[in-house]
Amino acid sequence: DAGITQSPRHKVTETGTPVTLRCHQTENHRYMYWYRQDPGHGLRLIHYSYGVKDTDKGEVSDGYSVSRSKTEDFLLTLESATSSQTSVYFCAISESQADNSPLHFGNGTRLTVT
Amino acid sequence: DQQVKQNSPSLSVQEGRISILNCDYTNSMFDYFLWYKKYPAEGPTFLISISSIKDKNEDGRFTVFLNKSAKHLSLHIVPSQPGDSAVYFCAAAIGGYQKVTFGTGTKLQVIP
Repeated sequence: DAGITQSPRHKVTETGTPVTLRCHQTENHRYMYWYRQDPGHGLRLIHYSYGVKDTDKGEVSDGYSVSRSKTEDFLLTLESATSSQTSVYFCAISESQADNSPLHFGNGTRLTVT
Repeated sequence: DQQVKQNSPSLSVQEGRISILNCDYTNSMFDYFLWYKKYPAEGPTFLISISSIKDKNEDGRFTVFLNKSAKHLSLHIVPSQPGDSAVYFCAAAIGGYQKVTFGTGTKLQVIP
């Protein structure tokens, strides 16, 4: 079980409020990712990081920002939460971009925006 | 535009029989394919992968087949066990893991 901790595990928030989700890893892996899982869409990449302070957008980045000030922490922020951001959010890590280094996922954060 | 498609949302199989999960993709640039397994309230876990230079990869009870001309891959589980009951995601990548594209998942139920 890869050392990935997501917090909180569950959160209910109101529309318009800011929300920050945290991903913490103990594996010292360079690459970190945020995905969201929705019925009918599978897992979609929001943002990813390829090093401290190095991030890039994924497929569904609108309305989200990220920060990575330390190797072990990758934060996902919803500046002003909307109901369409109700989802399960998964953090993932990988050691490298090589074929033998697949993504390892945390156990997710269930976010409900009311 | 769904580049990785799993057209069967669910599949039921008797214990001991073969489970075959299918996946189609549209982007011919994908060069690495993966299968992940997900239990409720847990994150996906890596199961098996295959490079586009191969057409088969085997790991114990799990075998992945790749047909590049048809842009199709499949996961075979033999024999199926009740503990295999989970959602299976097919995924594809181009030149590494920066942007892995996932399918919508197939829920497998193995009946004892």
